[in-house]
Amino acid sequence: KAGVTQTPRYLIKTRGQQVTLSCSPISGHRSVSWYQQTPGQGLQFLFEYFSETQRNKGNFPGRFSGRQFSNSRSEMNVSTLELGDSALYLCASKELGNTEAFFGQGTRLTVV
Amino acid sequence: GQQLNQSPQSMFIQEGEDVSMNCTSSSIFNTWLWYKQDPGEGPVLLIALYKAGELTSNGRLTAQFGITRKDSFLNISASIPSDVGIYFCAGRPMNSGGYQKVTFGTGTKLQVIP
Repeated sequence: KAGVTQTPRYLIKTRGQQVTLSCSPISGHRSVSWYQQTPGQGLQFLFEYFSETQRNKGNFPGRFSGRQFSNSRSEMNVSTLELGDSALYLCASKELGNTEAFFGQGTRLTVV
Repeated sequence: GQQLNQSPQSMFIQEGEDVSMNCTSSSIFNTWLWYKQDPGEGPVLLIALYKAGELTSNGRLTAQFGITRKDSFLNISASIPSDVGIYFCAGRPMNSGGYQKVTFGTGTKLQVIP
């Protein structure tokens, strides 16, 4: 089985722009979660989707949004980028009802 | 919200030494997970624990589900340079109604001195 795939791996954007990151979960996994990780920080939970609906949300401003498609693929969007949004964005997928989440390699976003 | 505290936050050890780290929660968990993250990569699942008192090994790694259900421990024996990374615990609280998301700990950064 292929693992969780995140695209792109690296991205450089300018302040004020918006960005869309993509995550393809492991086949059969219907839950997708997103996390932000800044240098020296742990994993900050952004949101979780399954069945195309947001099920949980972390404490992030409304500039951070996401969606999930019928094939369980997910995207997250950050609008009006700020320098502090520079981080590694990680996506994790799991089977519904299970706890074991499997991560992608992440998208390294740099805002300049 | 749910908090998972890991300790120590960071540690430097000599190659060949054993390592211990732990994770505590403010409430009872029904599953504990341990992950390792290499620099610039996503975390990789190492061990999953499902019941109180359970002790599970994966090579040189051994993890235990605390009997109080509020803590878990990870031990690494005979450390080697490739053990360097950040170790995260994670888990899901006992269902108190509604859907409970997986919560991650703050991480333990391990450095191994050759």
